[in-house]
Amino acid sequence: GAGVSQSPSNKVTEKGKDVELRCDPISGHTALYWYRQRLGQGLEFLIYFQGNSAPDKSGLPSDRFSAERTGESVSTLTIQRTQQEDSAVYLCASSLESFAEAFFGQGTRLTVV
Amino acid sequence: QKEVEQNSGPLSVPEGAIASLNCTYSDRGSQSFFWYRQYSGKSPELIMFIYSNGDKEDGRFTAQLNKASQYVSLLIRDSQPSDSATYLCAATGGGSYIPTFGRGTSLIVHP
Repeated sequence: GAGVSQSPSNKVTEKGKDVELRCDPISGHTALYWYRQRLGQGLEFLIYFQGNSAPDKSGLPSDRFSAERTGESVSTLTIQRTQQEDSAVYLCASSLESFAEAFFGQGTRLTVV
Repeated sequence: QKEVEQNSGPLSVPEGAIASLNCTYSDRGSQSFFWYRQYSGKSPELIMFIYSNGDKEDGRFTAQLNKASQYVSLLIRDSQPSDSATYLCAATGGGSYIPTFGRGTSLIVHP
């Protein structure tokens, strides 16, 4: 596609439910990043994928968070047993290769009620 | 811990003036530097990237990099009200593939 696509754009879920967020990177981009941005705050790194290498999960805040990516295609971020503090915008970005400029999707706004 | 520091602002400039946004980074091994613009409620949009010392110009925007001083800046000439946004500085390299972002500087361009 022309840009990074994320779905859904908005998600409201009840506390304790699981949610799955999807990111479709720019075609040919080998690197993919997930960030979280709480209201009025900066970007918080979550996880990084590069090709078929093992992902860098060092930013995941707890074991309720997991992410997958098959090759250089779609990635899904799963949050289990959601908590109110998980409410944020989840941003996905992709780049042609590591160290290159990254392009962001429109984000998924997650609200846990 | 790699850090990127920005003044949170707000930086207020009159329409038509030059806005100067600054950023410092802690990791001397950082190689690539990016400026993103983020409008309220929207995702970050890449506006400039710079890899080498010196200046890089693109339209009304100029990015400046000084690796010796670990300093990156963004100049916006002929500022317009539509430039009002938060500007995020990011750095990558130095053994880390992950872009580290500053907290951003809020820019207000008033008519």
